[in-house]
Amino acid sequence: AQKVTQAQTEISVVEKEDVTLDCVYETRDTTYYLFWYKQPPSGELVFLIRRNSFDEQNEISGRYSWNFQKSTSSFNFTITASQVVDSAVYFCALRGDNYGQNFVFGPGTRLSVLP
Amino acid sequence: ETGVTQSPTHLIKTRGQQVTLRCSSQSGHNTVSWYQQALGQGPQFIFQYYREEENGRGNFPPRFSGLQFPNYSSELNVNALELDDSALYLCASSLDRWTGAEAFFGQGTRLTVV
Repeated sequence: AQKVTQAQTEISVVEKEDVTLDCVYETRDTTYYLFWYKQPPSGELVFLIRRNSFDEQNEISGRYSWNFQKSTSSFNFTITASQVVDSAVYFCALRGDNYGQNFVFGPGTRLSVLP
Repeated sequence: ETGVTQSPTHLIKTRGQQVTLRCSSQSGHNTVSWYQQALGQGPQFIFQYYREEENGRGNFPPRFSGLQFPNYSSELNVNALELDDSALYLCASSLDRWTGAEAFFGQGTRLTVV
């Protein structure tokens, strides 16, 4: 069975602080995909990044960076110099490689960035 | 390019009633998935449609059913509503059923069952 754990339920930081959101996953598939989505109060899930299981390169996109470590089954997300607009619920998700397999989402981490 | 749109945005129904939720997929996307998100939880997969056929189903009872139309828009139908069906229902579309494809989500329909 596939499972995603986000141990941090809620995090509060002050603007300009760096913050890391943790994600640990479980799967028996050899090929799989990991995602991060942001859910602002409006409700839609906004795609942030996708990683496949064969690509362990870390990625940086502006203030966002992701650290994928297969050895520890983790896919952590760091926001540098956080801003109030980063306040949202962040979901880590896992998808296997078979057609019809869909996202398994973690429970989410609510991030509050205070001015 | 239009995004994923869902209607209605909010809905209140009585226990035992039936409801239909609608989703227009992003232009060119042939795959639509539906998710149920209870308050404070992550979305749970209900089912997926690819080119008008059900392509995968999560752990939901048969009273949750769906359709995908030739233009790839989709409906989610829920019969015999229960109080626990109260949730945000999200629709997602992707360019293809490949599981590595990006999925674009709509803003959801907030269903309240009283």
